[in-house]
Amino acid sequence: DTGVSQDPRHKITKRGQNVTFRCDPISEHNRLYWYRQTLGQGPEFLTYFQNEAQLEKSRLLSDRFSAERPKGSFSTLEIQRTEQGDSAMYLCASSARGLAGSTVEKNEQYFGPGTRLTVT
Amino acid sequence: AQSVSQHNHHVILSEAASLELGCNYSYGGTVNLFWYVQYPGQHLQLLLKYFSGDPLVKGIKGFEAEFIKSKFSFNLRKPSVQWSDTAEYFCAVKYSGGTSYGKLTFGQGTILTVHP
Repeated sequence: DTGVSQDPRHKITKRGQNVTFRCDPISEHNRLYWYRQTLGQGPEFLTYFQNEAQLEKSRLLSDRFSAERPKGSFSTLEIQRTEQGDSAMYLCASSARGLAGSTVEKNEQYFGPGTRLTVT
Repeated sequence: AQSVSQHNHHVILSEAASLELGCNYSYGGTVNLFWYVQYPGQHLQLLLKYFSGDPLVKGIKGFEAEFIKSKFSFNLRKPSVQWSDTAEYFCAVKYSGGTSYGKLTFGQGTILTVHP
């Protein structure tokens, strides 16, 4: 399967614990996005990487959230001291290289299956 | 703030009925428009997209959408639905320029249930 993969698919944790999710984008894609989706809502943007650089973060991304993409390939999203309000589906998406020097790319984002987090 | 609104939360149709799902977005200059579909137990998949040119775009599985710039709308249509179209449909907008970096702003989603 050459699509976007995410691990784990499901995570149940107790409030106050730390969790880490992994995303493996499509191999030739240099752009990677994290979104969060809660029940009955559409996905909401969290953060964006172009190669290894984190270029944009949403206000939704509190200090307890951190994301990395150390080698410009896979990415991790860590949540520290989880709260019940963090329960959601965490989605990763990737897209192909855009025009050089452009902040806008015309290629669609391909989504992974998501990691469903339940905080008890 | 940039926002996307989908008019219907849940639509129930019988097979062969026609479908139209509404999507409106807030003004923000140049936009790229998308419809994604999420079948039960599956991940989000692109149904169709609009970047420029002909405002009537055709996607997979017989779906089409029309971009009406003056109305800030991008409604999804299908002349005859099938039971297999049962899914959740999301409209998404990519606002160009500034530091948007291509992030998508999604609507709330519309659940489509098609009865055989």
